[in-house]
Amino acid sequence: DQQVKQNSPSLSVQEGRISILNCDYTNSMFDYFLWYKKYPAEGPTFLISISSIKDKNEDGRFTVFLNKSAKHLSLHIVPSQPGDSAVYFCAASSFGNEKLTFGTGTRLTIIP
Amino acid sequence: DAGITQSPRHKVTETGTPVTLRCHQTENHRYMYWYRQDPGHGLRLIHYSYGVKDTDKGEVSDGYSVSRSKTEDFLLTLESATSSQTSVYFCAIRQGGAQPQHFGDGTRLSIL
Repeated sequence: DQQVKQNSPSLSVQEGRISILNCDYTNSMFDYFLWYKKYPAEGPTFLISISSIKDKNEDGRFTVFLNKSAKHLSLHIVPSQPGDSAVYFCAASSFGNEKLTFGTGTRLTIIP
Repeated sequence: DAGITQSPRHKVTETGTPVTLRCHQTENHRYMYWYRQDPGHGLRLIHYSYGVKDTDKGEVSDGYSVSRSKTEDFLLTLESATSSQTSVYFCAIRQGGAQPQHFGDGTRLSIL
């Protein structure tokens, strides 16, 4: 049973436009969410996180939004740059649990 | 970059042979994790450690064992490798609290 779902395997966006990556979860105990970015032949790199006490967190071009009632989070990248082309994973955990549950990833391609 | 080294980076072996993958960290972090990444599955937790000699199972632990005799080293062993264990294996470390996990660059393991 996939508790964290990324329903779009791939996404293509024009350079300079906004990229929106989506993630849904089913476990209502999840209260901490993260996004990771992964280039080929490298390990995932932490991008941004949000706890359930917030509905938005910003870091430069990256903003994560959390809608707890819908059990949905999204990552916005503005403006998109060619170096943003990568696979993006969302992940979730619950308080006191040291483990993360990952989604299956979305491959983002930025078109120059 | 987080001080995480995985070895070997690539390995090809035969079904039925034992295989050990090593994760070495220089950050003195308490938590260490082993994941496997497969197409359509994202990252799945195999085992993790919350201290020296303290380990626990993840969601795909069958066929794998781990050991942590020193803070800096976390070993993953496939006692008798099978073709279904062909995958890319990632190690991650975490300091604790609300800190995110940081990943190594992975080991590509092929079992023929």
